[in-house]
Amino acid sequence: EVQLVQSGAELKKPGESLKISCTVSGYSFTNYWIAWVRQVPGKGLEWMGVIYPGDSNTRYSPSFQGQVTMSADKSTTTAYLQWSSLKASDTAIYYCARHDVHQRPGEYWGQGTLVTVSS
Amino acid sequence: DVQMTQSPSSLSASVGDRVTITCRASQDIRDYLGWFQQVPGKAPKRLISPASILQSGVPSRFSGSGSGTEFTLTISSLQPEDFATYYCLHHDSYPLTFGGGTKVEIK
Repeated sequence: EVQLVQSGAELKKPGESLKISCTVSGYSFTNYWIAWVRQVPGKGLEWMGVIYPGDSNTRYSPSFQGQVTMSADKSTTTAYLQWSSLKASDTAIYYCARHDVHQRPGEYWGQGTLVTVSS
Repeated sequence: DVQMTQSPSSLSASVGDRVTITCRASQDIRDYLGWFQQVPGKAPKRLISPASILQSGVPSRFSGSGSGTEFTLTISSLQPEDFATYYCLHHDSYPLTFGGGTKVEIK
């Protein structure tokens, strides 16, 4: 059974750093793209970017390029999304989602990680 | 970048109604489009990808059509569990982009 399990909710202050995770099981981690999607509370879905764990090839949306870093650890089958300096506007739910074998997005999703940035 | 314009942004309908949601792409995206359902408090769920292919396990009352720049999601007979927000997502080229969403509410 394919599973994507995300790390728990975070409460951080502006300027702090953060790394959230998405640990997968039930398939070959290195063979499928994983995307990150942001959802500000009460708002729509925003595609942030995608990573191919096999070679860590990444593609970022221009809106998020330079604002976040995506990475993957093959030894723990975990994808990561990190910030070096959080802003209040980063408050959102973040989802990881795996592409399918045909590279179409969103076949399987994590449960989401709520990140709250507040002073 | 491809922009996805989804309409309507919300609609009210009754159980049993036929519902149609439209997504328009700012340029030709072939059939590289998926439809997603999101129930409040839950992660999105893929219904259709590409444009007209129903995901395994999704009820047959859902259907998708279109290619190029205009796409449609149809629910033939709305059921209580279908009240949710629906999003389209193109995957023709980077960056991928979602439509703005359509909230389907109970009339």
